[in-house]
Amino acid sequence: KAGVTQTPRYLIKTRGQQVTLSCSPISGHRSVSWYQQTPGQGLQFLFEYFSETQRNKGNFPGRFSGRQFSNSRSEMNVSTLELGDSALYLCASSTGQGGGETQYFGPGTRLLVL
Amino acid sequence: GNSVTQMEGPVTLSEEAFLTINCTYTATGYPSLFWYVQYPGEGLQLLLKATKADDKGSNKGFEATYRKETTSFHLEKGSVQVSDSAVYFCALKELTGGGNKLTFGTGTQLKVEL
Repeated sequence: KAGVTQTPRYLIKTRGQQVTLSCSPISGHRSVSWYQQTPGQGLQFLFEYFSETQRNKGNFPGRFSGRQFSNSRSEMNVSTLELGDSALYLCASSTGQGGGETQYFGPGTRLLVL
Repeated sequence: GNSVTQMEGPVTLSEEAFLTINCTYTATGYPSLFWYVQYPGEGLQLLLKATKADDKGSNKGFEATYRKETTSFHLEKGSVQVSDSAVYFCALKELTGGGNKLTFGTGTQLKVEL
């Protein structure tokens, strides 16, 4: 089975621009979660989508948004980029059954904001 | 709220040494506990997990026991190898309320030398 894929792998943007990142989950997985990883704040939960609905949300400003399509692929969008948005953005997929199920992570998209 | 505390790194060991990375947690309910590993330039890989008190997770020589009385989930390995050099993250997921939201510790970098 193919793993979680994320595109693009690297991205350079300037302040004020917007960016869209994509995540394709493992086949059959209906839950996709997004995390931001920075040296200062570590790994922080952004949001989770399950069956095209946002099921959980972390403490990030409204500039961060996401969506999920009927094939479970997910995108996240960051508008009006700030320097502090430079980070590794990771997505994770799972069946969505909850409990102690495992989430499988993709390789991440590294975003640099200049 | 939920939180995970890990020992500060980096931890530097000689090959074949014994490894312990401490992890304690605070949670309002009964979480599942996880250890993830991140190799340079990659996403997170699940190392092991435990879903209830006294469960022992194990994989590739690594072990961790879910201790509810001490709210701990320390990672151990009897004999480390150079290939174990990576960053290790302890994480928890609440089982109540549904959804997938992982709360991570700050990560502990392990360096294994010959």
